[in-house]
Amino acid sequence: GQSLEQPSEVTAVEGAIVQINCTYQTSGFYGLSWYQQHDGGAPTFLSYNALDGLEETGRFSSFLSRSDSYGYLLLQELQMKDSASYFCAVRGGADGLTFGKGTHLIIQP
Amino acid sequence: DVKVTQSSRYLVKRTGEKVFLECVQDMDHENMFWYRQDPGLGLRLIYFSYDVKMKEKGDIPEGYSVSREKKERFSLILESASTNQTSMYLCASTLGGTYSNQPQHFGDGTRLSIL
Repeated sequence: GQSLEQPSEVTAVEGAIVQINCTYQTSGFYGLSWYQQHDGGAPTFLSYNALDGLEETGRFSSFLSRSDSYGYLLLQELQMKDSASYFCAVRGGADGLTFGKGTHLIIQP
Repeated sequence: DVKVTQSSRYLVKRTGEKVFLECVQDMDHENMFWYRQDPGLGLRLIYFSYDVKMKEKGDIPEGYSVSREKKERFSLILESASTNQTSMYLCASTLGGTYSNQPQHFGDGTRLSIL
Protein backbone atom coordinates (compact mmCIF):
# COMPACT_ATOMS: atom_id res chain seq x y z
CA GLY A 1 0.00 0.00 0.00
CA GLN A 2 0.88 3.65 -0.01
CA SER A 3 1.17 6.18 2.80
CA LEU A 4 2.08 9.85 2.83
CA GLU A 5 3.10 12.20 5.62
CA GLN A 6 2.73 15.96 5.52
CA PRO A 7 2.38 18.58 8.27
CA SER A 8 -1.18 19.23 9.35
CA GLU A 9 -0.78 23.00 9.52
CA VAL A 10 1.70 25.65 8.42
CA THR A 11 1.55 29.38 9.16
CA ALA A 12 3.30 32.03 7.08
CA VAL A 13 3.22 35.76 6.45
CA GLU A 14 1.89 37.45 3.35
CA GLY A 15 4.68 38.07 0.86
CA ALA A 16 6.92 35.40 2.34
CA ILE A 17 7.96 31.96 1.08
CA VAL A 18 6.65 28.70 2.53
CA GLN A 19 7.61 25.08 1.93
CA ILE A 20 5.24 22.18 2.52
CA ASN A 21 6.99 18.84 2.81
CA CYS A 22 5.72 15.40 1.91
CA THR A 23 7.30 12.02 2.52
CA TYR A 24 5.84 8.86 1.08
CA GLN A 25 6.04 5.10 1.24
CA THR A 26 4.86 3.16 -1.76
CA SER A 27 5.47 -0.22 -3.32
CA GLY A 28 5.59 1.30 -6.79
CA PHE A 29 5.98 4.90 -7.90
CA TYR A 30 4.52 6.74 -10.85
CA GLY A 31 4.85 10.32 -9.69
CA LEU A 32 4.02 12.82 -6.95
CA SER A 33 1.26 15.36 -7.43
CA TRP A 34 0.08 18.39 -5.49
CA TYR A 35 -3.48 19.65 -5.19
CA GLN A 36 -4.93 22.80 -3.65
CA GLN A 37 -8.32 22.95 -1.96
CA HIS A 38 -10.01 26.08 -0.65
CA ASP A 39 -12.62 25.71 2.07
CA GLY A 40 -15.83 24.42 0.54
CA GLY A 41 -14.21 23.96 -2.85
CA ALA A 42 -13.00 21.12 -5.01
CA PRO A 43 -9.35 20.05 -5.07
CA THR A 44 -7.52 21.51 -8.05
CA PHE A 45 -4.34 20.23 -9.61
CA LEU A 46 -1.17 22.25 -9.04
CA SER A 47 1.82 20.23 -10.16
CA TYR A 48 3.26 16.82 -10.92
CA ASN A 49 6.79 15.40 -10.62
CA ALA A 50 7.77 12.09 -12.12
CA LEU A 51 11.53 12.69 -12.12
CA ASP A 52 13.91 14.16 -9.57
CA GLY A 53 14.28 17.90 -9.50
CA LEU A 54 12.34 21.10 -9.40
CA GLU A 55 9.30 21.98 -11.50
CA GLU A 56 8.30 25.63 -11.55
CA THR A 57 4.92 27.08 -12.42
CA GLY A 58 4.70 30.76 -11.66
CA ARG A 59 4.83 31.38 -7.91
CA PHE A 60 4.57 27.66 -7.18
CA SER A 61 7.36 25.09 -7.47
CA SER A 62 7.45 21.41 -6.66
CA PHE A 63 10.47 19.28 -5.91
CA LEU A 64 10.99 15.52 -5.89
CA SER A 65 13.75 13.26 -4.64
CA ARG A 66 12.88 9.66 -5.44
CA SER A 67 15.87 8.27 -3.56
CA ASP A 68 14.62 10.00 -0.38
CA SER A 69 10.91 9.35 -1.09
CA TYR A 70 10.44 13.05 -0.44
CA GLY A 71 8.97 16.03 -2.13
CA TYR A 72 7.91 19.54 -1.32
CA LEU A 73 5.72 22.32 -2.60
CA LEU A 74 7.22 25.80 -2.49
CA LEU A 75 4.98 28.83 -2.57
CA GLN A 76 6.59 32.22 -3.14
CA GLU A 77 5.27 35.76 -2.71
CA LEU A 78 2.44 34.46 -0.62
CA GLN A 79 -0.95 36.05 -1.10
CA MET A 80 -3.98 35.83 1.15
CA LYS A 81 -5.77 33.84 -1.55
CA ASP A 82 -3.17 31.09 -1.09
CA SER A 83 -4.81 30.25 2.24
CA ALA A 84 -6.05 26.72 1.57
CA SER A 85 -5.30 23.09 2.20
CA TYR A 86 -2.58 21.46 0.14
CA PHE A 87 -2.46 17.74 -0.54
CA CYS A 88 0.36 15.65 -1.89
CA ALA A 89 -0.68 12.50 -3.73
CA VAL A 90 1.21 9.54 -5.07
CA ARG A 91 0.42 7.06 -7.79
CA GLY A 92 1.84 3.72 -6.71
CA GLY A 93 0.37 1.41 -9.28
CA ALA A 94 -2.66 0.59 -11.36
CA ASP A 95 -5.08 2.30 -9.04
CA GLY A 96 -6.16 5.76 -8.09
CA LEU A 97 -4.10 8.34 -6.30
CA THR A 98 -3.35 8.01 -2.62
CA PHE A 99 -3.58 11.40 -0.93
CA GLY A 100 -1.88 12.72 2.15
CA LYS A 101 -4.08 14.07 4.91
CA GLY A 102 -3.47 17.63 3.81
CA THR A 103 -1.65 20.70 5.10
CA HIS A 104 -3.73 23.67 6.14
CA LEU A 105 -1.82 26.80 5.14
CA ILE A 106 -2.65 29.86 7.22
CA ILE A 107 -1.42 33.18 5.91
CA GLN A 108 -1.20 36.16 8.20
CA PRO A 109 -1.11 39.76 6.98
CA ASP B 1 -12.37 23.30 -19.50
CA VAL B 2 -13.24 19.92 -18.04
CA LYS B 3 -16.51 19.89 -16.23
CA VAL B 4 -17.26 17.28 -13.59
CA THR B 5 -20.78 17.64 -12.26
CA GLN B 6 -22.13 15.99 -9.15
CA SER B 7 -25.89 15.77 -8.97
CA SER B 8 -26.35 17.22 -5.49
CA ARG B 9 -24.32 19.63 -3.40
CA TYR B 10 -26.09 18.67 -0.16
CA LEU B 11 -28.06 15.55 0.62
CA VAL B 12 -29.77 14.30 3.76
CA LYS B 13 -30.85 10.67 4.03
CA ARG B 14 -31.94 8.27 6.74
CA THR B 15 -30.18 5.22 8.09
CA GLY B 16 -30.93 2.13 6.02
CA GLU B 17 -31.87 4.01 2.85
CA LYS B 18 -30.29 3.18 -0.47
CA VAL B 19 -28.51 6.30 -1.67
CA PHE B 20 -27.35 7.17 -5.16
CA LEU B 21 -24.69 9.79 -5.86
CA GLU B 22 -24.31 10.70 -9.50
CA CYS B 23 -21.32 12.13 -11.34
CA VAL B 24 -21.07 13.21 -14.96
CA GLN B 25 -18.02 14.44 -16.87
CA ASP B 26 -18.10 16.10 -20.27
CA MET B 27 -14.59 15.50 -21.60
CA ASP B 28 -14.74 11.89 -22.69
CA HIS B 29 -12.36 10.83 -19.91
CA GLU B 30 -11.68 7.13 -19.54
CA ASN B 31 -11.03 7.15 -15.81
CA MET B 32 -13.43 8.11 -13.06
CA PHE B 33 -13.03 7.97 -9.29
CA TRP B 34 -15.04 8.31 -6.11
CA TYR B 35 -13.42 9.60 -2.91
CA ARG B 36 -14.69 10.55 0.48
CA GLN B 37 -13.16 13.35 2.47
CA ASP B 38 -13.28 13.57 6.25
CA PRO B 39 -11.58 16.10 8.54
CA GLY B 40 -8.07 15.00 9.44
CA LEU B 41 -8.20 12.01 7.09
CA GLY B 42 -7.78 13.64 3.71
CA LEU B 43 -9.23 12.04 0.59
CA ARG B 44 -9.71 8.30 0.56
CA LEU B 45 -10.43 6.32 -2.57
CA ILE B 46 -13.65 4.29 -2.53
CA TYR B 47 -13.93 2.92 -6.08
CA PHE B 48 -12.61 3.72 -9.52
CA SER B 49 -13.29 2.79 -13.11
CA TYR B 50 -11.09 2.76 -16.19
CA ASP B 51 -13.79 1.94 -18.69
CA VAL B 52 -17.49 1.40 -19.15
CA LYS B 53 -18.84 -1.47 -17.03
CA MET B 54 -15.46 -1.79 -15.36
CA LYS B 55 -14.87 -1.11 -11.66
CA GLU B 56 -12.08 -1.60 -9.15
CA LYS B 57 -12.11 -1.34 -5.37
CA GLY B 58 -10.16 1.43 -3.77
CA ASP B 59 -8.98 1.65 -0.18
CA ILE B 60 -12.38 1.77 1.55
CA PRO B 61 -15.04 0.04 -0.60
CA GLU B 62 -17.02 -1.56 2.24
CA GLY B 63 -20.65 -0.46 2.25
CA TYR B 64 -20.45 1.01 -1.24
CA SER B 65 -20.93 -0.11 -4.81
CA VAL B 66 -20.61 1.68 -8.15
CA SER B 67 -22.06 1.62 -11.62
CA ARG B 68 -20.64 2.80 -14.91
CA GLU B 69 -23.05 2.06 -17.73
CA LYS B 70 -21.96 5.00 -19.86
CA LYS B 71 -18.50 6.53 -20.26
CA GLU B 72 -19.54 9.95 -18.97
CA ARG B 73 -21.41 8.79 -15.86
CA PHE B 74 -20.15 7.14 -12.69
CA SER B 75 -22.57 6.44 -9.86
CA LEU B 76 -21.77 5.70 -6.24
CA ILE B 77 -24.32 3.63 -4.34
CA LEU B 78 -24.68 3.30 -0.60
CA GLU B 79 -26.53 0.03 -0.32
CA SER B 80 -27.86 0.67 3.21
CA ALA B 81 -26.77 4.04 4.51
CA SER B 82 -25.26 4.25 7.96
CA THR B 83 -24.32 7.25 10.09
CA ASN B 84 -20.59 6.57 9.62
CA GLN B 85 -21.07 7.29 5.93
CA THR B 86 -21.82 10.92 6.68
CA SER B 87 -19.09 12.66 4.73
CA MET B 88 -18.10 14.81 1.77
CA TYR B 89 -18.04 12.72 -1.41
CA LEU B 90 -15.88 13.81 -4.32
CA CYS B 91 -15.96 12.51 -7.86
CA ALA B 92 -12.99 12.92 -10.20
CA SER B 93 -12.10 12.06 -13.76
CA THR B 94 -8.91 11.90 -15.75
CA LEU B 95 -7.80 11.24 -19.28
CA GLY B 96 -5.72 8.25 -20.23
CA GLY B 97 -5.21 4.61 -19.48
CA THR B 98 -4.59 2.52 -16.43
CA TYR B 99 -1.31 4.19 -15.47
CA SER B 100 -2.35 7.66 -16.46
CA ASN B 101 -0.71 10.49 -14.59
CA GLN B 102 -2.96 13.11 -16.05
CA PRO B 103 -4.38 15.57 -13.50
CA GLN B 104 -7.55 14.54 -11.78
CA HIS B 105 -10.46 16.92 -12.28
CA PHE B 106 -12.81 17.05 -9.35
CA GLY B 107 -16.47 17.88 -8.98
CA ASP B 108 -17.62 20.31 -6.30
CA GLY B 109 -18.55 17.47 -3.95
CA THR B 110 -21.71 16.19 -2.30
CA ARG B 111 -22.01 16.73 1.42
CA LEU B 112 -24.04 13.74 2.57
CA SER B 113 -25.62 13.54 6.00
CA ILE B 114 -27.09 10.27 7.22
CA LEU B 115 -29.54 10.70 10.11
